[in-house]
Amino acid sequence: DAGITQSPRHKVTETGTPVTLRCHQTENHRYMYWYRQDPGHGLRLIHYSYGVKDTDKGEVSDGYSVSRSKTEDFLLTLESATSSQTSVYFCAINTPGQGALNTEAFFGQGTRLTVV
Amino acid sequence: AQSVSQHNHHVILSEAASLELGCNYSYGGTVNLFWYVQYPGQHLQLLLKYFSGDPLVKGIKGFEAEFIKSKFSFNLRKPSVQWSDTAEYFCAVNADTGNQFYFGTGTSLTVIP
Repeated sequence: DAGITQSPRHKVTETGTPVTLRCHQTENHRYMYWYRQDPGHGLRLIHYSYGVKDTDKGEVSDGYSVSRSKTEDFLLTLESATSSQTSVYFCAINTPGQGALNTEAFFGQGTRLTVV
Repeated sequence: AQSVSQHNHHVILSEAASLELGCNYSYGGTVNLFWYVQYPGQHLQLLLKYFSGDPLVKGIKGFEAEFIKSKFSFNLRKPSVQWSDTAEYFCAVNADTGNQFYFGTGTSLTVIP
């Protein structure tokens, strides 16, 4: 499992409230990712990080922000949660490869978020 | 951006039937290809991967996949499925353009005992 821990595992929150999800890794990987998984859409990339304080947007970044102040932690914040952000959120790391290739993705256990 | 297409959204098979799930990608450069499996209520786990070399790749639990570069395809196969193969299967691509994985929308496989 590449030492990836997500917290919380389940959360119910109200519309309009901020929510922060945490991803913690123990193996010092440089690249970390946040995806959301929705039926019919597979996994879609929200944000990713390629080092401390280095982050970039993915395909579905609107309404989300991220921070990475330490190598081991990658936080995903829903600034003002909406019902459309009800989803399962997965954190992932990429193992070191050769340039952009020969790398593997390992996933955390997921966080099921419900916005009511 | 690269795209990945999985043609089968839902597949229902009886035990011992053969399985083939289609996957096509859009990028013309160098790619790595993957199949991930997600069992009910669990996270994605790597089933098999292709980096280079022999285009026929064998993975865990009797699965294999064949990379056909001319068809931009990486189809997953298993000669005889089991009830425990019931899961969702995702094809993914990593290209030489950057450190991002692109996932298909997934195929839900149900195996009937």
